[in-house]
Amino acid sequence: AQKITQTQPGMFVQEKEAVTLDCTYDTSDPSYGLFWYKQPSSGEMIFLIYQGSYDQQNATEGRYSLNFQKARKSANLVISASQLGDSAMYFCAILNSNSGYALNFGKGTSLLVTP
Amino acid sequence: GAGVSQSPSNKVTEKGKDVELRCDPISGHTALYWYRQRLGQGLEFLIYFQGNSAPDKSGLPSDRFSAERTGESVSTLTIQRTQQEDSAVYLCASRQRSGQLPQYFGPGTRLLVL
Repeated sequence: AQKITQTQPGMFVQEKEAVTLDCTYDTSDPSYGLFWYKQPSSGEMIFLIYQGSYDQQNATEGRYSLNFQKARKSANLVISASQLGDSAMYFCAILNSNSGYALNFGKGTSLLVTP
Repeated sequence: GAGVSQSPSNKVTEKGKDVELRCDPISGHTALYWYRQRLGQGLEFLIYFQGNSAPDKSGLPSDRFSAERTGESVSTLTIQRTQQEDSAVYLCASRQRSGQLPQYFGPGTRLLVL
């Protein structure tokens, strides 16, 4: 079974600073994928970034990067140059190969960006 | 192109009534997923479709929950004899095919059972 742990219920960061959101995972699959989604107060789930377990490099998408440490089973999201619009819930998720590659989500981290 | 759409966006119902939630996936997406998100919680997987087949219904909370899909298009999630604990946001997602690809989510249906 796959499991995602996000230990930070809430985080604050000042505008223009960088912030790291933690995610650790547990899986018995030899090959797996990790995702981060953003959920603003409006409720939609927005795909941010994906990391495959066999990818040689850490994934990056604009201001988002994934600090993937396979041996430590961690996949932390780094947001650089935070903006007020980054205030939202952030969810880490892992693919569940037993359920048609559905996603197993963590409980999320609430990020508040302050001026 | 058009994203995943869901209807209704909000639904208020009385305990014991049946409700039907609809999801229109992105055109061409063969895999479709239903999730439930209770207030302040992460998402729980309910069911997935590959085409119109549902190989995994293990996430459905009880036999009051059922879902179907027509071809590779619309899916409906039905909750019979609703209970207050069914109150949640029900999110639908689709992806091009099963595998290590991102899922794209709809805006969700907010269900409140009184």
